[in-house]
Amino acid sequence: GQQLNQSPQSMFIQEGEDVSMNCTSSSIFNTWLWYKQEPGEGPVLLIALYKAGELTSNGRLTAQFGITRKDSFLNISASIPSDVGIYFCAGSDNFGNEKLTFGTGTRLTIIP
Amino acid sequence: ETGVTQTPRHLVMGMTNKKSLKCEQHLGHNAMYWYKQSAKKPLELMFVYNFKEQTENNSVPSRFSPECPNSSHLFLHLHTLQPEDSALYLCASSQGRGGATEAFFGQGTRLTVV
Repeated sequence: GQQLNQSPQSMFIQEGEDVSMNCTSSSIFNTWLWYKQEPGEGPVLLIALYKAGELTSNGRLTAQFGITRKDSFLNISASIPSDVGIYFCAGSDNFGNEKLTFGTGTRLTIIP
Repeated sequence: ETGVTQTPRHLVMGMTNKKSLKCEQHLGHNAMYWYKQSAKKPLELMFVYNFKEQTENNSVPSRFSPECPNSSHLFLHLHTLQPEDSALYLCASSQGRGGATEAFFGQGTRLTVV
């Protein structure tokens, strides 16, 4: 089946630093999604990408849909304490396909 | 109330108990999902319903029984669970077949089987 490798597994950064994480797939995806999950809560959708090469921003967050359709990147600029959480990528191989494959997550910790 | 709502938020049950998890969405979506989230594992898709019809059962043991009476409500009936079934159970919804893929999640039910 499809697999999503997400890296890094965890990050420890200082407030104000930029963050980069990525997801790679063993097969082509037509949709990439990025979620954030905080303790005791469900994942919250951050950004959705539908076209290869697409670059989309949501405030300090920027995500890109890789040209090969097998990868995606999420960047967070000027991190703040509320950015702490686990970030998940998710992909779908068909538009309108209800089955999402999720990555293992990147746990972001901000050092005071 | 808006979004996806799950109840209860926390549940402790014995292995011989029968309990149910409830999910309700107010987004006008036609697809609903159950996911299981265990520590250090990716989210595992359990069941998918499209327009009240089950379209996916991801080899889930029969001690988990889903029910979708309408497009806005989804239940997960639990019976004779095992300790390894302890996890966060997440409900989600999306537009459904032919619509956008984005899934919106509830806050989850933290289940502990003792």
